[in-house]
Amino acid sequence: DAKTTQPNSMESNEEEPVHLPCNHSTISGTDYIHWYRQLPSQGPEYVIHGLTSNVNNRMASLAIAEDRKSSTLILHRATLRDAAVYYCILYNTDKLIFGTGTRLQVFP
Amino acid sequence: DTEVTQTPKHLVMGMTNKKSLKCEQHMGHRAMYWYKQKAKKPPELMFVYSYEKLSINESVPSRFSPECPNSSLLNLHLHALQPEDSALYLCASSQDHPDTEAFFGQGTRLTVV
Repeated sequence: DAKTTQPNSMESNEEEPVHLPCNHSTISGTDYIHWYRQLPSQGPEYVIHGLTSNVNNRMASLAIAEDRKSSTLILHRATLRDAAVYYCILYNTDKLIFGTGTRLQVFP
Repeated sequence: DTEVTQTPKHLVMGMTNKKSLKCEQHMGHRAMYWYKQKAKKPPELMFVYSYEKLSINESVPSRFSPECPNSSLLNLHLHALQPEDSALYLCASSQDHPDTEAFFGQGTRLTVV
């Protein structure tokens, strides 16, 4: 299973942009890059995914490096409700394997 | 309906008990998953069902027995568990294609005494 590497934790102030990095140097051509987040005492929640091109949705943006060996999840304006563990996952066949994730703290 | 519903939310069981966890989705998803999550750790994949057939067992001990009675339901039967099996058990479903999102339930918090 291809692996991802993320910083253990990051901090942000409310209403500031947040860039969450993920390295996946062993990514294969058919791996999709998925991001999920888990708020305290809840199940993981889908955020965004992509293959090669940058993606935007109502929650976030995903910037994928040209060689696909890294990606960045962008929260444009962090709110207190965005405090969570963010997981970057390579999804290929039928396995969705979680890495260690980044714990994001948001300060008022 | 974009929900994955897990019951019960909390379960306390003795080491000699037999219990079952239930998961239900009505999104027409053909893949369903069981994960185990210990405190402050990421979810660990246990089982994957694809089209109601077990496709992946991540070397899970036999005291955990999954069952997929139909395309909407997924059960996890528990027997002779150990205290170290106490964890949050998460169910998920998806269209079984990496270009689609997975949906997770809120989990069952299991305590083995």
